[in-house]
Amino acid sequence: QKEVEQDPGPLSVPEGAIVSLNCTYSNSAFQYFMWYRQYSRKGPELLMYTYSSGNKEDGRFTAQVDKSSKYISLFIRDSQPSDSATYLCAMSAKLSGGLGTSYGKLTFGQGTILTVHP
Amino acid sequence: DADVTQTPRNRITKTGKRIMLECSQTKGHDRMYWYRQDPGLGLRLIYYSFDVKDINKGEISDGYSVSRQAQAKFSLSLESAIPNQTALYFCATSDTGGTDTQYFGPGTRLTVL
Repeated sequence: QKEVEQDPGPLSVPEGAIVSLNCTYSNSAFQYFMWYRQYSRKGPELLMYTYSSGNKEDGRFTAQVDKSSKYISLFIRDSQPSDSATYLCAMSAKLSGGLGTSYGKLTFGQGTILTVHP
Repeated sequence: DADVTQTPRNRITKTGKRIMLECSQTKGHDRMYWYRQDPGLGLRLIYYSFDVKDINKGEISDGYSVSRQAQAKFSLSLESAIPNQTALYFCATSDTGGTDTQYFGPGTRLTVL
């Protein structure tokens, strides 16, 4: 079983729709939860970051975390064609190096391909 | 993406060849990472470095080696490339402490024939 499961889609919606993207995880050691957006031929870019259960809103984007159910979601309101991309959930656990520790050990979901058509 | 650059952007090579992928960053971050991305598997960590003198293996380091030449430079080498190393390779950086937010480069598309 993968530590992080994400529905790969693809997901196709009309402009203006509400989009829901979801990930489940099995590792209780995950401390931080992120959503990355990746456009074609580009590297992933951080979209949302949260570390506690509940909702976090940023413009048209809302990240939701439910640690008790080991479930995270990203909601996109009023979706636009420019939102068309691959969305990756990521979760971080402790990473130990010779010079200390960090929460830089990211485990990614498989990514969901989203297309918003005009 | 402009703060983290990767060269080359695309590379086709043959089985058994040695190849090096390079990453440079102008963000002033201490921590650097190499990932590979395969369809249906997301991104997986190959190696990471917290400082110039610190190198650590990630979850899939077999067949790869790295060199941290300077704070701003982190190279990934495939000593003897094989076809199942065909993938997208990403370099990332993060700052010390705080949230360890990682910033990714534009990627290198590597094809091993």
